[in-house]
Amino acid sequence: DVKVTQSSRYLVKRTGEKVFLECVQDMDHENMFWYRQDPGLGLRLIYFSYDVKMKEKGDIPEGYSVSREKKERFSLILESASTNQTSMYLCASRVNSGANVLTFGAGSRLTVL
Amino acid sequence: AQSVAQPEDQVNVAEGNPLTVKCTYSVSGNPYLFWYVQYPNRGLQFLLKYITGDNLVKGSYGFEAEFNKSQTSFHLKKPSALVSDSALYFCAVRDGKLIFGTGTRLQVFP
Repeated sequence: DVKVTQSSRYLVKRTGEKVFLECVQDMDHENMFWYRQDPGLGLRLIYFSYDVKMKEKGDIPEGYSVSREKKERFSLILESASTNQTSMYLCASRVNSGANVLTFGAGSRLTVL
Repeated sequence: AQSVAQPEDQVNVAEGNPLTVKCTYSVSGNPYLFWYVQYPNRGLQFLLKYITGDNLVKGSYGFEAEFNKSQTSFHLKKPSALVSDSALYFCAVRDGKLIFGTGTRLQVFP
């Protein structure tokens, strides 16, 4: 069964901490994405990557960075967490062709105190 | 810019009744449209997509969606709702990357 795995389901961090959210996919997909999900706002794209070592800003990149050193792994980094980054974070991947669908991980719920 | 709108925050329906979850889109050119579902404490799961061809698209779990170009709509439908269909539903359009609507919570009552 193909998977996108987000290693941390629930995290609680303090303001100013550096936070790493890890995402690994086993489908050999080229494209990977990080979204955040907030009630009433739906999913908003933070960053995406079309291939290894490539990254593109999404709609709300401020306060975030990403790393894609290997094809299967896409990390989201909060350099200095703030309370307004409390959210559900969803990682997804897809093959780089046509209208292929996204496969999502189960999500990481981050609370910043 | 491409966008989708889901005008209803919540839809309530009795089990056994037909359900409709609405989505309208704004795109230039031919749209690639998708529906995803999110069950509690889970990631999103793909339901169905429209690329081209037949305006009625069938998907997982008995869901279908009708593409209507003149009304720029892509409503999700099911002839007979189940309590287990209760979830959060997202419409999306592909513009290089996927752009999601704000979501509609479907509540099916026994």
